[in-house]
Amino acid sequence: QVQLQESGPGLVKPSQTLSLTCTVSGGSISSGNYFWSWIRQPAGKGLEWIGLIYTSGSTNYNPSLKSRVTISLDTSKNQFSLKLSSVTAADTAMYYCATSEGFWGQGTLVTVSS
Amino acid sequence: QTVVTQEPSLTVSPGGTVTLTCASSTGAVTSGYYPNWFQQKPGQAPRALIYTTSNKHSWTPARFSGSLLGGKAALTLSGVQPEDEAEYYCLLFDAGAWVFGGGTKLTVL
Repeated sequence: QVQLQESGPGLVKPSQTLSLTCTVSGGSISSGNYFWSWIRQPAGKGLEWIGLIYTSGSTNYNPSLKSRVTISLDTSKNQFSLKLSSVTAADTAMYYCATSEGFWGQGTLVTVSS
Repeated sequence: QTVVTQEPSLTVSPGGTVTLTCASSTGAVTSGYYPNWFQQKPGQAPRALIYTTSNKHSWTPARFSGSLLGGKAALTLSGVQPEDEAEYYCLLFDAGAWVFGGGTKLTVL
């Protein structure tokens, strides 16, 4: 069974870059025709798709975030990562990583505050 | 950007049947939108239920089914259980991007 675990700073200052990593266990991030996604959820609100990366390395981002988002793979560590630049308080949310096979991490809360 | 619309809330009696729908602002939802459905309970991560319109994950209870209905994606729960009370989100692929619906809060009463 594939398991995912998000990690990264829980507090980021405004205008800085949010960086999160998703560590995958129970499966290889570089095998198969899969994709790996990031999703976020502000407290008390709905889900927002951030973007995804295919095992090939190609990416697809939410148009509203595209200018600030980078998703990458690290096959040597079986991880994929999210970078979101120029953050504001509006980026405060629970951040989840997920696979195209339906597996989700438990999420990590990121707060943007000075 | 595409707006995906779901019923804000629905109520169903235990043992009953309920259908949740998911509409796209760009037109009728087809299989090419690859509809997905997720369940989220308070304080928990979302759980995937349905992918590509009607396919179930290995952990999806048999009482959940997905379909296309009247130009929308639909999630039907048959024989609703108290533990089905949750928020349900649909996810559509449109114009090269995935978009979540706003969610339906399902109350079992």
